[in-house]
Amino acid sequence: DAKTTQPPSMDCAEGRAANLPCNHSTISGNEYVYWYRQIHSQGPQYIIHGLKNNETNEMASLIITEDRKSSTLILPHATLRDTAVYYCIVRDRGIYNQGGKLIFGQGTELSVKP
Amino acid sequence: DAGITQSPRHKVTETGTPVTLRCHQTENHRYMYWYRQDPGHGLRLIHYSYGVKDTDKGEVSDGYSVSRSKTEDFLLTLESATSSQTSVYFCAITRTSTNTGELFFGEGSRLTVL
Repeated sequence: DAKTTQPPSMDCAEGRAANLPCNHSTISGNEYVYWYRQIHSQGPQYIIHGLKNNETNEMASLIITEDRKSSTLILPHATLRDTAVYYCIVRDRGIYNQGGKLIFGQGTELSVKP
Repeated sequence: DAGITQSPRHKVTETGTPVTLRCHQTENHRYMYWYRQDPGHGLRLIHYSYGVKDTDKGEVSDGYSVSRSKTEDFLLTLESATSSQTSVYFCAITRTSTNTGELFFGEGSRLTVL
């Protein structure tokens, strides 16, 4: 699985958009980009994933560059409850029985401030 | 809510004693996983299961065993606990029925080995 690089920490004002970058320059053609977050003392929470098209769900939007070497997770209107560590992961979605072998790096610690 | 219950949520034990952590799911999913989370190491896969009586090792399986005698329960056993196994343990499932591969995590079990 490709490695990812994320900034260790970011701040965001409440109500503003939070844009969390991720570099995955060695991603291969069949690897998806997944985003998870972990609020303090809780289990990680799935947010969104994508292959090459931009994706949006009720939680966030995922923008993947055309060359797929980087992506950005967007929380459109950050709230204090979005304060968490955000993990960007790339892996081959097709490896089902190895689906648990997600490589969680150090992630980005997002602090949403009033 | 992925219907995952971990027990116990907190446990303190002594070196050399056996410990069993239980993960229970209510949605009849095939794939279940055990992770541990430690400062500086992120989340690491211990073992996973792809069906009743079907299990395989993850990246940090030494000192751990697992069993899955029925679909809903995945047990993690530390035969002789050591201080290095002090950690937070997370169980996860994959909702293969949706064919999207993302993991859903339980709330964690905090184990302290004295």
